[in-house]
Amino acid sequence: LAKTTQPISMDSYEGQEVNITCSHNNIATNDYITWYQQFPSQGPRFIIQGYKTKVTNEVASLFIPADRKSSTLSLPRVSLSDTAVYYCLVGDGGSTLGRLYFGRGTQLTVWP
Amino acid sequence: ETGVTQSPTHLIKTRGQQVTLRCSSQSGHNTVSWYQQALGQGPQFIFQYYREEENGRGNFPPRFSGLQFPNYSSELNVNALELDDSALYLCASRGTDTQYFGPGTRLTVL
Repeated sequence: LAKTTQPISMDSYEGQEVNITCSHNNIATNDYITWYQQFPSQGPRFIIQGYKTKVTNEVASLFIPADRKSSTLSLPRVSLSDTAVYYCLVGDGGSTLGRLYFGRGTQLTVWP
Repeated sequence: ETGVTQSPTHLIKTRGQQVTLRCSSQSGHNTVSWYQQALGQGPQFIFQYYREEENGRGNFPPRFSGLQFPNYSSELNVNALELDDSALYLCASRGTDTQYFGPGTRLTVL
């Protein structure tokens, strides 16, 4: 299972764009890249998932270069409520998808 | 809301006791995974159930066991509780390519 490396913490201010980069050098051909958000004492919340190039939804964008060894989660115009831990995970679409490996995540703090 | 529910919300037990945690998966999801999250750490995979069979397990001792029922709901059982078992226990049900997590059960072992 491919493991991931991401910054332990990041700070931003309201209204700014935040980019969190994740390294996954050993990503396998079948692996998808998934990002979750977690608030204290709550379950992780799915944000976005992608395989290659760029994926965008109403919450975030995910940029994946051609070699897929890294990915960047982009949060446009963050607000105070975006303060949370963000996890980058890789896993395949088969039966082993259940075995998601969470690192320690990135603590994003948004300041007024 | 993910459609994944867990009960109870909070639980306090003493060392050596046994505990059962419950999870109802999102409608149509036949795969359920359980995770343990200690304070300040990311969730750690315990095991996964697919169509009532365990088909993947993390680095947890046998006193952590589970069940999945025909309606795809699931239980996590922990025997001989230890102080280090104090954690947030998360259940996730799997869609096509994504897992959706429940709110968790906070277990405190005294």
